[in-house]
Amino acid sequence: NAGVTQTPKFQVLKTGQSMTLQCAQDMNHEYMSWYRQDPGMGLRLIHYSVGAGITDQGEVPNGYNVSRSTTEDFPLRLLSAAPSQTSVYFCASSFGGSSYEQYFGPGTRLTVT
Amino acid sequence: AQRVTQPEKLLSVFKGAPVELKCNYSYSGSPELFWYVQYSRQRLQLLLRHISRESIKGFTADLNKGETSFHLKKPFAQEEDSAMYYCALRQTSGSRLTFGEGTQLTVNP
Repeated sequence: NAGVTQTPKFQVLKTGQSMTLQCAQDMNHEYMSWYRQDPGMGLRLIHYSVGAGITDQGEVPNGYNVSRSTTEDFPLRLLSAAPSQTSVYFCASSFGGSSYEQYFGPGTRLTVT
Repeated sequence: AQRVTQPEKLLSVFKGAPVELKCNYSYSGSPELFWYVQYSRQRLQLLLRHISRESIKGFTADLNKGETSFHLKKPFAQEEDSAMYYCALRQTSGSRLTFGEGTQLTVNP
């Protein structure tokens, strides 16, 4: 099992550019989510999905889109990058319902200039 | 809405000293509380959860519903405990987690 994988590891964007952060898991988890990690602010939930075809907004969804066409993949799209989106992005997955542990990917460090 | 607060952003102790990382929460229902840890250059991982009442790597945490707290404790800190620690709350229904701001623990030799 590869667990949760994320690509790329690092990315530099110019303001206004768009890109997609990839996330995949091979554990057949229903629940997947995206967080951003900023110093002093902890992890904040951007979007999440409880299964293929179902997504919902978290705390800080503005400027980001997601889709979940398969159980395995949950890409995060930045529509028009802004310096405020400079952050480390983590994808996580878990079984839904009674399972408690979320498994995290290694993170993507994004810089927007 | 639920909220998790970790009042200390940085905590520094000496090896062998007791350590306590504070976590307070607000939630109207019955919460499930967790501690996650991120060691340098490693992924965020679950350390312990209140429902299992277990001790992991010498750490324990007790849910105090009266004080709405879930402090993480270890009687004798080790250098390898140096890491970022996050307290998290899960609602009674669903898988969504709310994280605190995190506490960077440094254990000095």
